[in-house]
Amino acid sequence: QKEVEQDPGPLSVPEGAIVSLNCTYSNSAFQYFMWYRQYSRKGPELLMYTYSSGNKEDGRFTAQVDKSSKYISLFIRDSQPSDSATYLCAMRTGANNLFFGTGTRLTVIP
Amino acid sequence: GAVVSQHPSWVICKSGTSVKIECRSLDFQATTMFWYRQFPKQSLMLMATSNEGSKATYEQGVEKDKFLINHASLTLSTLTVTSAHPEDSSFYICRVGQAYNEQFFGPGTRLTVL
Repeated sequence: QKEVEQDPGPLSVPEGAIVSLNCTYSNSAFQYFMWYRQYSRKGPELLMYTYSSGNKEDGRFTAQVDKSSKYISLFIRDSQPSDSATYLCAMRTGANNLFFGTGTRLTVIP
Repeated sequence: GAVVSQHPSWVICKSGTSVKIECRSLDFQATTMFWYRQFPKQSLMLMATSNEGSKATYEQGVEKDKFLINHASLTLSTLTVTSAHPEDSSFYICRVGQAYNEQFFGPGTRLTVL
């Protein structure tokens, strides 16, 4: 079983739609949860981070962590064509190594 | 956030040759840098942790004699793929920053071995 599971998609939505991206994990020691956005042929860019369970909102983006279910989500409201990218979830314990999901490829259609 | 550059961005080489990839942290003093490999449609996989002034720490299954890492200064780490083979073709990405909210990736280097 992989440490982090993420549906690779691809996911296509019309502009303005609400996008829901999800990851599940197996290691209950994970404490820090991140979402990265990666454009084609570029390095990942940190989008959101949360510590432990709860919600965090930043503009059109909301990150949710449910540690009891080992489930994290990223919601994108009013999606834009510029949001088209691959979204990777990542998580870590207190140590340095990040465990990544495979990434979900999102396309927002104008 | 920190600016991280990688050079080259894309390299094609013949099988059996060696390729050096540079990772530079332009405005962040990085005692530690991380090297990842990403195959198509797969996760980023940590290969090794590069430590300034000392030996790198390799993840299980990564050959240290094949992937040579040098971290000569606080702003530069290099990854050399020695005797590259087609199965080494991948996207190589470095990361700097250790705090969970300070994670800066380079733009990546695409290696194609013919």
